[in-house]
Amino acid sequence: NAGVTQTPKFQVLKTGQSMTLQCAQDMNHNSMYWYRQDPGMGLRLIYYSASEGTTDKGEVPNGYNVSRLNKREFSLRLESAAPSQTSVYFCASSEAPVWGYTFGSGTRLTVV
Amino acid sequence: DQQVKQNSPSLSVQEGRISILNCDYTNSMFDYFLWYKKYPAEGPTFLISISSIKDKNEDGRFTVFLNKSAKHLSLHIVPSQPGDSAVYFCAASTPGAGSYQLTFGKGTKLSVIP
Repeated sequence: NAGVTQTPKFQVLKTGQSMTLQCAQDMNHNSMYWYRQDPGMGLRLIYYSASEGTTDKGEVPNGYNVSRLNKREFSLRLESAAPSQTSVYFCASSEAPVWGYTFGSGTRLTVV
Repeated sequence: DQQVKQNSPSLSVQEGRISILNCDYTNSMFDYFLWYKKYPAEGPTFLISISSIKDKNEDGRFTVFLNKSAKHLSLHIVPSQPGDSAVYFCAASTPGAGSYQLTFGKGTKLSVIP
């Protein structure tokens, strides 16, 4: 099925460890996004990529880096995980605001 | 400061009745408003959108109303069904160079009681 695929679905990290969250879309969308969802906080934008080769910070970028590998793939990296980064991470892609974003199913990350 | 606010964390409605979910915003530069539905352990799914130049958009059982002067929008679900039980997020779009960003509210959990 067409859509946004995120891997892994679940991950437990120790404080200080690093990891990369992978995201791929097959809808030929130009723009891709990373959001995090925390209880009572809604979804907050971490980074986004308007097109292949460009990335920009969102509302909560500290502690994260991103790479837009090609038009399909947009990865999110935690270099030194902290407990405050325990969250559910969603990747999304879009083409035009009237149709909204298409979200992946999320990665539930726990940092202990 | 929150630019998109959903002041009701939860709402319970009887099956067959109308559900009304509300959202307020502060930024007059938002150009589109959207509603998303989210089930547990799944990503949000797009429900309906409305341009800032319109005051109503309808899609089946779902209607979104926009009152620009009050900076308020609402989602009406008629009739409500048990499968509508989910968290609903209001979002607003800010245009940017080559892309657009969505700012989300904190969500309202809708429970439709059979």
